[in-house]
This record gives sequence, C-alpha cells and structure tokens, in this order.
Amino acid sequence: NAGVTQTPKFRVLKTGQSMTLLCAQDMNHEYMYWYRQDPGMGLRLIHYSVGEGTTAKGEVPDGYNVSRLKKQNFLLGLESAAPSQTSVYFCASSKGGAGGIYNEQFFGPGTRLTVL
Amino acid sequence: AQSVAQPEDQVNVAEGNPLTVKCTYSVSGNPYLFWYVQYPNRGLQFLLKYITGDNLVKGSYGFEAEFNKSQTSFHLKKPSALVSDSALYFCAVRDGDDYKLSFGAGTTVTVRA
Repeated sequence: NAGVTQTPKFRVLKTGQSMTLLCAQDMNHEYMYWYRQDPGMGLRLIHYSVGEGTTAKGEVPDGYNVSRLKKQNFLLGLESAAPSQTSVYFCASSKGGAGGIYNEQFFGPGTRLTVL
Repeated sequence: AQSVAQPEDQVNVAEGNPLTVKCTYSVSGNPYLFWYVQYPNRGLQFLLKYITGDNLVKGSYGFEAEFNKSQTSFHLKKPSALVSDSALYFCAVRDGDDYKLSFGAGTTVTVRA
C-alpha cells in the first residue's frame, strides 16, 4: 500500500514551459486535492475533485488546470509556467461518502518546482 | 470566509516539558478542525481532528487538542515533549459543508535534548 505518490519529485522549468504533475492514490479515495506550499503561507488549495470526471477550483486556481480521468489519478497542469509558480506542490486524498468532508486527508511527499 | 491563525512562528521547549501549539479559527458555520505535522522534506501527516462531541480530542503520538468554542481555539498539546516531535505543525479548519480546508501558516516546534 503506497498511499499517495507524486511524480516527479523535483523539476526545474523555464518561464513559459509547460508540465504535468501526476498524483496517484491506491486507497480508493473519492476526493483528491492539489495544494501549493509557500514559506509562511501554509498550504493553499489549487483545485480539487470529489469524484472521477469532476473538478473544481480552490483558493488559487489561476495558471493551473487539472483532470481526473481515473479515480486513482489526479493531474495538475501548468500550461505556461511563471516564476510565481515556484513552490512545493502537494497532492492529497480522502474518503468520500456520507460525512466524507469530515475525513482526514492523506498527503503525498510533494513535488518541488522551480521556474526560472 | 474561514481562516486559521497560528500566532507563534516558533515554539521551543526542552525534552520532557509540556508542549503547546496555539491555533485560533474563524468560521461562519460549524468548525471542523484538524492538526497535521510535517517532517523535513515530507508530506503532511494527520494527527487529530475535532468534528463534534467531546471537546478534548486525543490523537497520534501522544498529542491531544482542546476545542474551545467561546475562545474559537483549538490548541495542540503534549504533556511531555520528545526530541522527535521537532517538526512543522499546521492547524486547519473546514467551515460547515465547504470542501475547502484552510491551513494556518504553520508553527515550527523545536524540542531540545
């Protein structure tokens, strides 16, 4: 049981380049989330999904897109990277169902992205 | 809108002493509160949560937290800190049926031997 995994672990991009971050979970969780972590700001929600084929915007969605084609995977895309997107990105998942929003989230190890 | 404040950037304690990490929150509906811990270069790990019921919540690794509605606080406590408790701690709140979980800025705990 690997839990939540993220690829890649590190990436350096030039301004304007694009990339996709992959998140996978093997816990059969319905809900999945993408956060970014910046010093002194905690974690901020970028996008989330409450089920396969559904996505929604979080607190800081601009410049990012997501897709959830399979229940176990949640992809985060940067179409045209900017230096302001330099951050550590975390994926998380949690159980759904009745009372699902009260369940704790399980986090991946993170992806450290630098945009030059 | 929901928000969380962790008033202390850093907390330093000696091993064996009590540890307290403070958290206050603001919500418009019912608060659902969580504590997470992050070790260096790792993802966040769940410690405990308050949804309803007993105001004193017990969690992993000997941690507990007390929900205080009148003071809108949810402070994390451990009676006897260990060096291995040194980490970054985050408080988070969910407002009613909102899917969004709002995190505080985090408190760095250092436990000295």
